[in-house]
Amino acid sequence: DARVTQTPRDKVTEMGQEVTMRCQPILGHNTVFWYRQTMMQGLELLAYFRNRAPLDDSGMPKDRFSAEMPDATLATLKIQPSEPRDSAVYFCASAPGGSEAFFGQGTRLTVV
Amino acid sequence: GEDVEQSLFLSVREGDSSVINCTYTDSSSTYLYWYKQEPGAGLQLLTYNFSNMDMKQDQRLTVLLNKKDKHLSLRIADTQTGDSAIYFCAERDGNTDKLIFGTGTRLQVFP
Repeated sequence: DARVTQTPRDKVTEMGQEVTMRCQPILGHNTVFWYRQTMMQGLELLAYFRNRAPLDDSGMPKDRFSAEMPDATLATLKIQPSEPRDSAVYFCASAPGGSEAFFGQGTRLTVV
Repeated sequence: GEDVEQSLFLSVREGDSSVINCTYTDSSSTYLYWYKQEPGAGLQLLTYNFSNMDMKQDQRLTVLLNKKDKHLSLRIADTQTGDSAIYFCAERDGNTDKLIFGTGTRLQVFP
């Protein structure tokens, strides 16, 4: 059963620490999305990739966030340094070209 | 730019039909989606439409598209308590692949 896998599922960290969230897209999917979900802002698109190349990361705070795809089986979202306002659920989704997009279960990040 | 709008809440009685509405703005949209999110879970894809498909039905779910008005609706027949969730409408730009979500509609089903 193909699925998008995100790790960790939950992360609690202290302000100022580096946080790395990982996503394994469904094999063969060439488009990967990162979203952040909060009560106030809903689902915000942070960045997305096609064939491992970043297409748009305008939704991401550039000074502290970075997103990469080291290879086709791994996408990472890094926050350094983390702040309490980064507390949210971060979702990864993957899609084959021009079709359905499937979501992972998310990483719940709490920055204290 | 892209914008997807939905009402925030809908409350229905068990057994009635639910209709969740969505409007979108991107004129080059190729794909339109409905997702369901239960508490503490990820987003589950319910259905997707090509923007030239007026209607799609899958068991209790019916999706209607009015392309002229850029209006998409999701109808759930015989709504059950298990249908209580947040329903998201999303559009995917056919040129850029950008996938944008609405605010989500919280559906509450009461007995």
